[in-house]
Amino acid sequence: NAGVTQTPKFRILKIGQSMTLQCTQDMNHNYMYWYRQDPGMGLKLIYYSVGAGITDKGEVPNGYNVSRSTTEDFPLRLELAAPSQTSVYFCASNLGQGAIGELFFGEGSRLTVL
Amino acid sequence: AQKITQTQPGMFVQEKEAVTLDCTYDTSDPSYGLFWYKQPSSGEMIFLIYQGSYDQQNATEGRYSLNFQKARKSANLVISASQLGDSAMYFCAMREGRSGNNRLAFGKGNQVVVIP
Repeated sequence: NAGVTQTPKFRILKIGQSMTLQCTQDMNHNYMYWYRQDPGMGLKLIYYSVGAGITDKGEVPNGYNVSRSTTEDFPLRLELAAPSQTSVYFCASNLGQGAIGELFFGEGSRLTVL
Repeated sequence: AQKITQTQPGMFVQEKEAVTLDCTYDTSDPSYGLFWYKQPSSGEMIFLIYQGSYDQQNATEGRYSLNFQKARKSANLVISASQLGDSAMYFCAMREGRSGNNRLAFGKGNQVVVIP
């Protein structure tokens, strides 16, 4: 059982470039999340989704976009990359209603913007 | 306003000793959940333990226990009999409201280094 899978694991971008971080889960979880982790800091919520076709902003959404066309996939799009977006990005999922709220995380994607 | 506060500096712990990691939280919602995650140097996030605001007893999971003091709004993690593999960052997190809202707010983490 793969759980939550993120790709790529590492990426270097130039300022102004765009890219998509892919996230897929095979646990049939309704809820999915994107967090970023800056050095020495905790995780901050970028966007989340409670089901296919439904997304909403988290704490730090500026500079990012998401979509949720299927239950399994929740890609994160970075438009016009900036050095401030250098971070480790984590995708996570959970069942949603009726669950305690434990998040299942992917292994993270380390992004550097130069 | 910071919802989860973890302010301890990095800690060195002797192998086989116990260590307590502090976490205080801020919420006005009577229903909430508290979580601890471990992040080893490899980077993955590992769920350790959960405490619900209405749970009468402190949560325990193997060598992990949560010292839940509701009136003080604290949820300290206790790791007993530390092992070298416990060296990691530890994050406290909170879910506000009923389980339908599963967004977690994380603290900045506590660094633990276990020495032989």
